[in-house]
Amino acid sequence: AQTVTQSQPEMSVQEAETVTLSCTYDTSESDYYLFWYKQPPSRQMILVIRQEAYKQQNATENRFSVNFQKAAKSFSLKISDSQLGDAAMYFCAYRSALKDMRFGAGTRLTVKP
Amino acid sequence: DTEVTQTPKHLVMGMTNKKSLKCEQHMGHRAMYWYKQKAKKPPELMFVYSYEKLSINESVPSRFSPECPNSSLLNLHLHALQPEDSALYLCASSQDLGDIEKLFFGSGTQLSVL
Repeated sequence: AQTVTQSQPEMSVQEAETVTLSCTYDTSESDYYLFWYKQPPSRQMILVIRQEAYKQQNATENRFSVNFQKAAKSFSLKISDSQLGDAAMYFCAYRSALKDMRFGAGTRLTVKP
Repeated sequence: DTEVTQTPKHLVMGMTNKKSLKCEQHMGHRAMYWYKQKAKKPPELMFVYSYEKLSINESVPSRFSPECPNSSLLNLHLHALQPEDSALYLCASSQDLGDIEKLFFGSGTQLSVL
């Protein structure tokens, strides 16, 4: 079974600084996607960034980038120039073909002004 | 339209009530999902519908009854719930079950069972 582990229940960052959220996963499959979802107080799950396992290049979306280490099964999220609106619960997730999305336990990010 | 719409946003019900949660999408997605999320926990899959047929049931109690009347709608019928069923219920959709791209999520229904 696939498992997703987020070892940081809470993280804090100063506004305009950079923070990295950690995620590791366990799988025996070769074709899969990895995701970072953001859940602000409104509770809506918002996709932040996604990475295809077959792509070696790390995905980037504006201030958000990932460090994907396939051999180490690691998928960390870097948020640059943190903004107050980045404060939320962040979930790392894994999905393979014909399977449902598996989520990590989440990391609560606080952004200090 | 790239939204998944869930109604109601909030619901309070007694243990003897019957209520329904509704989910709608008009993106032409053929896979739709119900997730349950307890406070400070990740979402947990309940049901998956693929082409209007139940594809996955994660051993959910029978007091939760899903229904997919057409490709755009997904309902969750609730009957004789327990207080521990209080949670955020999230609906999601994707192009199809074999599509391992992202899920689109609704804003959820916050359910309180008294």
